[in-house]
Amino acid sequence: QVQLVQSGAEVKKPGASVKVSCKASGYTFTGYNMHWVRQAPGQGLEWMGWINPNSGGTNYAQKFQGRVTMTRDTSISTAYMELSRLRSDDTAVYYCASSIAVTGQCDYWGQGTLVTVSS
Amino acid sequence: AIQMTQSPSSLSASVGDRVTITCRASQGIRIDLGWYQQKPGKAPKLLIYAASSLQSGVPSRFSGSGSGTDFTLTISSLQPEDFATYYCLQHYNYPWTFGQGTKVEIK
Repeated sequence: QVQLVQSGAEVKKPGASVKVSCKASGYTFTGYNMHWVRQAPGQGLEWMGWINPNSGGTNYAQKFQGRVTMTRDTSISTAYMELSRLRSDDTAVYYCASSIAVTGQCDYWGQGTLVTVSS
Repeated sequence: AIQMTQSPSSLSASVGDRVTITCRASQGIRIDLGWYQQKPGKAPKLLIYAASSLQSGVPSRFSGSGSGTDFTLTISSLQPEDFATYYCLQHYNYPWTFGQGTKVEIK
């Protein structure tokens, strides 16, 4: 069965970077884009961008351009999202999500990773 | 960026009620829209894709309609497990954008 398993919670200081991992199993990792979505406490969902695990190509939301880097390691079917120059308003749950069925949407999601930015 | 305006932001309903949530796009998005259900502490779950197609395993009391700029999610008979927050998501162009969410609470 399809699974996306994310790394554990992180606490970071303002100005630092965080790298969240998302290990995929149960499907061909390189066949489908991996998206990243975040959710601040008590707030709605925000799309950050995607990575094509096959080519390594990326598409970032303009809001995160220059601060976000999405990468992958195909040998271990794992995608990564690194966010730099963290601010307190980056405190959120970060989700990876893939579109595997022919829905065009994110049909499989990781469990989420809480990133807390606090001095 | 395309703005997705979702309404209402919250509603109270009883088990068995028919519930309708709407999403309006700031420009036409064909049928490139999905609906998600999210429960506290959990990842979103895809309910509807391509505006009106039911995702596999989702109960048939959920339905979607619309195209262009106006979309609707309907729950025909609200069940206890349906109390959650619902979001629309457009994937017509980048950046993908979500509606603000609709919290469905117990009356």
